[in-house]
Amino acid sequence: GQNIDQPTEMTATEGAIVQINCTYQTSGFNGLFWYQQHAGEAPTFLSYNVLDGLEEKGRFSSFLSRSKGYSYLLLKELQMKDSASYLCAVVDSNYQLIWGAGTKLIIKP
Amino acid sequence: IAGITQAPTSQILAAGRRMTLRCTQDMRHNAMYWYRQDLGLGLRLIHYSNTAGTTGKGEVPDGYSVSRANTDDFPLTLASAVPSQTSVYFCASSDSGSSNEQFFGPGTRLTVL
Repeated sequence: GQNIDQPTEMTATEGAIVQINCTYQTSGFNGLFWYQQHAGEAPTFLSYNVLDGLEEKGRFSSFLSRSKGYSYLLLKELQMKDSASYLCAVVDSNYQLIWGAGTKLIIKP
Repeated sequence: IAGITQAPTSQILAAGRRMTLRCTQDMRHNAMYWYRQDLGLGLRLIHYSNTAGTTGKGEVPDGYSVSRANTDDFPLTLASAVPSQTSVYFCASSDSGSSNEQFFGPGTRLTVL
């Protein structure tokens, strides 16, 4: 079967750095997305990786290792508004998105 | 305002009733999707449409049907609602191509009693 694993919940301090990991086992790989979802709202796009390496976009960076079936989302200079769930999703061989259950990130002052 | 809208925002429904969730986008995206999101589970694809006039089954299609008469609209119908269909339903759209981000509607919170 297909599987996306993420930690259920993480806690970090305002101003700090946090890394949210995602491991996947899917039938094929055609890219990996990270989305942010605030409570009670819709998911919004953060990043897309299809090649190995690090993609940086402001305070957020996303890393991919296809050989290890692994990605992480790195959030720097954490702000209270970063409290949200972060969803990892993989595009499989049928070009469908397979979603992880999400990581709830709690930011403390 | 460009984007994707869903209606209703929330609904309480008696089991056995028929219900249609509406979804409209004005971004001229070819692809549209319906997901359900349940606590502790990832988004699960119910049905999708790669272009107007075509639809396909996702991971959890049973009990649901869709139609795609035009580019903008993608309604989801529950023919006879059951309590296990209590969930938050998200509609999404994207340009064609696996690398294109999906844009999500605000969601419909459905409770089936």
